[in-house]
Amino acid sequence: SQKIEQNSEALNIQEGKTATLTCNYTNYSPAYLQWYRQDPGRGPVFLLLIRENEKEKRKERLKVTFDTTLKQSLFHITASQPADSATYLCALDMANAGNMLTFGGGTRLMVKP
Amino acid sequence: DAGITQSPRHKVTETGTPVTLRCHQTENHRYMYWYRQDPGHGLRLIHYSYGVKDTDKGEVSDGYSVSRSKTEDFLLTLESATSSQTSVYFCATGGQGDEQYFGPGTRLTVT
Repeated sequence: SQKIEQNSEALNIQEGKTATLTCNYTNYSPAYLQWYRQDPGRGPVFLLLIRENEKEKRKERLKVTFDTTLKQSLFHITASQPADSATYLCALDMANAGNMLTFGGGTRLMVKP
Repeated sequence: DAGITQSPRHKVTETGTPVTLRCHQTENHRYMYWYRQDPGHGLRLIHYSYGVKDTDKGEVSDGYSVSRSKTEDFLLTLESATSSQTSVYFCATGGQGDEQYFGPGTRLTVT
């Protein structure tokens, strides 16, 4: 079955630096990959979607890459701010069920002023 | 969270009692999902719906049932709650695109 791995340890960085989060997957070739942000006590919020034929996608300070050979996605936040502190989840479409997602466990990002 | 509400937001119940959680959406989205989120497991899909009266099982469906009699409402029922069902439950919807939109969650404690 498909497996998604995100670093379960918190990532601590200084304000203004670039945060890079990793999502690795196995046993599957997804049609697309998504990133969500989740704040404590709230539901996840969709950020970006990247398809298998796309190498990179950007939205404001966010950038996502998708390497289908390495089976890995990287999520970058440039010029990070304390308000970027949250847990970030990656999600892949489920095999043979295009409208369903499988989520990774998330990585908590802490941006210190 | 815009357009998706969940009720109740918090509930404490005893083992063996039935519990129903409600998800209501105003987005007219076709797809609706129920997830549970637990430490160490992340978000796991319980059941989903691809239209009125059309539902199917997800990854962790044992002990749960769902119903969707209207586009805007998706109910999750625990027929006989167990302590292992203590969790935070999220409802989500999906429209024409592939992204999902989540509700605020329901924190359920089974004692």
